[in-house]
Amino acid sequence: DADVTQTPRNRITKTGKRIMLECSQTKGHDRMYWYRQDPGLGLRLIYYSFDVKDINKGEISDGYSVSRQAQAKFSLSLESAIPNQTALYFCATSDPSWTSGSTSDTQYFGPGTRLTVL
Amino acid sequence: GENVEQHPSTLSVQEGDSAVIKCTYSDSASNYFPWYKQELGKRPQLIIDIRSNVGEKKDQRIAVTLNKTAKHFSLHITETQPEDSAVYFCAANRYNNNDMRFGAGTRLTVKP
Repeated sequence: DADVTQTPRNRITKTGKRIMLECSQTKGHDRMYWYRQDPGLGLRLIYYSFDVKDINKGEISDGYSVSRQAQAKFSLSLESAIPNQTALYFCATSDPSWTSGSTSDTQYFGPGTRLTVL
Repeated sequence: GENVEQHPSTLSVQEGDSAVIKCTYSDSASNYFPWYKQELGKRPQLIIDIRSNVGEKKDQRIAVTLNKTAKHFSLHITETQPEDSAVYFCAANRYNNNDMRFGAGTRLTVKP
């Protein structure tokens, strides 16, 4: 889905370095997310944002921070990278709908950023 | 918080056979259950979802069933084709709480 883009696509860095991953979307969605994917662990939510003034911690937020610069941009930072943060990182957006008391919230994922911390 | 378990972790079937992937969830308040397909090197993409107010939903060769009492839901793929080979993830979410929890994934291989 070209409407959600991530930069960089690949990054190799060293322990202790500060890293920023960026996500942009043209879908006009208010909600944006950062996930990390590790083999055998599926997708785990790091942070999410419902709008530019809203930031929420997800399941695994320790060691990460985020910034929602605009509706279309959501960046993830690793202040001091460590090797166990080596993973595939996905940004996602959503536009939830409510029908008959039940919600659906399809996540539209970016292409992913493969981060390696040496 | 919600906990989603997915089985099996790997599944190999012959082309034309059916494949079934099962997930269980822990939070009885969860009411939205999507399934995502991730092909090798690609991003996850939604293939089907079900809401808690229905028990079954079908879209061509794929179907999802939900048992709220037992807190489990399943993905059924019939007449499998090699292009169905991918990793499939289930997920569960609770109304007004956007902390979506994913299962660990099932790697499906369809042998021609």
